[in-house]
Amino acid sequence: GAVVSQHPSRVICKSGTSVKIECRSLDFQATTMFWYRQFPKKSLMLMATSNEGSKATYEQGVEKDKFLINHASLTLSTLTVTSAHPEDSSFYICSASRDRLAYEQYFGPGTRLTVT
Amino acid sequence: GQQLNQSPQSMFIQEGEDVSMNCTSSSIFNTWLWYKQEPGEGPVLLIALYKAGELTSNGRLTAQFGITRKDSFLNISASIPSDVGIYFCAGRETSGSRLTFGEGTQLTVNP
Repeated sequence: GAVVSQHPSRVICKSGTSVKIECRSLDFQATTMFWYRQFPKKSLMLMATSNEGSKATYEQGVEKDKFLINHASLTLSTLTVTSAHPEDSSFYICSASRDRLAYEQYFGPGTRLTVT
Repeated sequence: GQQLNQSPQSMFIQEGEDVSMNCTSSSIFNTWLWYKQEPGEGPVLLIALYKAGELTSNGRLTAQFGITRKDSFLNISASIPSDVGIYFCAGRETSGSRLTFGEGTQLTVNP
């Protein structure tokens, strides 16, 4: 299989605080992981690509100091939303691939972030 | 940037009917993927296509990689209520690993 988990599934935080979201590949080693953001009734927007052991590559318009990504091992990547604001409220989804070419990406179940 | 046009945006069908949706790209892709997403969940990979002209089935689902490498379609035969969800196409360019997603097709199946 190719199972990807995310934790937490839902989080509510206050403005100004930071939130960490974990993405784990449970039954395979993920050389590459991706972080997406999805607004209601919209498609997935790629935020960044991370390869194990190296710095993440951010998409244009995504603030790397606000969305900190760490891919410390072949099974774990984390996304930290720093100094969260209500406009950061969204559905965040990670995906993982077995190789750097990412022929197939397997998605986690997503994390619903609400910033009050 | 990359443009993927997915159509239709939504479909309302009766159980038992066949469904067809497609995606077209402004650029050449070397991989096409089709995903299904249910409310509050992440997308689930349905079919992956790697070669121009490739036709692949997964149960009642069939997808094809267009010969021009700029389009793909997904067919669902004999739809059932659990087919309800949003279907996304995604393409990967000839270079790089990032996927570009279509805007999705919302499928509603009436029993």
